[in-house]
Amino acid sequence: EDQVTQSPEALRLQEGESSSLNCSYTVSGLRGLFWYRQDPGKGPEFLFTLYSAGEEKEKERLKATLTKKESFLHITAPKPEDSATYLCAVQVDGQNFVFGPGTRLSVLP
Amino acid sequence: DSGVTQTPKHLITATGQRVTLRCSPRSGDLSVYWYQQSLDQGLQFLIQYYNGEERAKGNILERFSAQQFPDLHSELNLSSLELGDSALYFCASQRVGEGTEAFFGQGTRLTVV
Repeated sequence: EDQVTQSPEALRLQEGESSSLNCSYTVSGLRGLFWYRQDPGKGPEFLFTLYSAGEEKEKERLKATLTKKESFLHITAPKPEDSATYLCAVQVDGQNFVFGPGTRLSVLP
Repeated sequence: DSGVTQTPKHLITATGQRVTLRCSPRSGDLSVYWYQQSLDQGLQFLIQYYNGEERAKGNILERFSAQQFPDLHSELNLSSLELGDSALYFCASQRVGEGTEAFFGQGTRLTVV
């Protein structure tokens, strides 16, 4: 069965304190791995798509990387406005998107 | 703005009633996905449509149904509502081809009283 797990469940950082979020997946036939940001009561906002091991994508303070079994979302010098739940999802051959439970990030000023 | 429009934004209804949630995908997107997110829970896949045809089904209750119309908008029908159906309902749309990102609407918050 396709599975996506994320760790940690919650993370509190001081402003400027860099860290990484983990997404581990057990799937066959990976078509893409996706990172989303979700604010409370809002729809998930697309951040990155990764397709193959070794691939990296960057956007402002965020950088996503992919290996054969996991992906990392690195947050460099975070600001309070980066506080949100970060969701990882995979899509496999002929299937829908499978989402992980998310990491709830709080960045304190 | 993701380009995906969901209406209504909020809906309050009584148990036993029926409601219809509407989703307009981004222009050109053929796939529409429906997800349910209960309080502090993850996104649960309900159903997917591709160009008017049902493509995949998740943990969708028999009381729930959906369809995608020729203009590609989609509707999710929820009937015989129960208190436990209170949740955020999201739709997402995706361009042709697997492995491309899906874009989400802002959701419909359903409260069953």
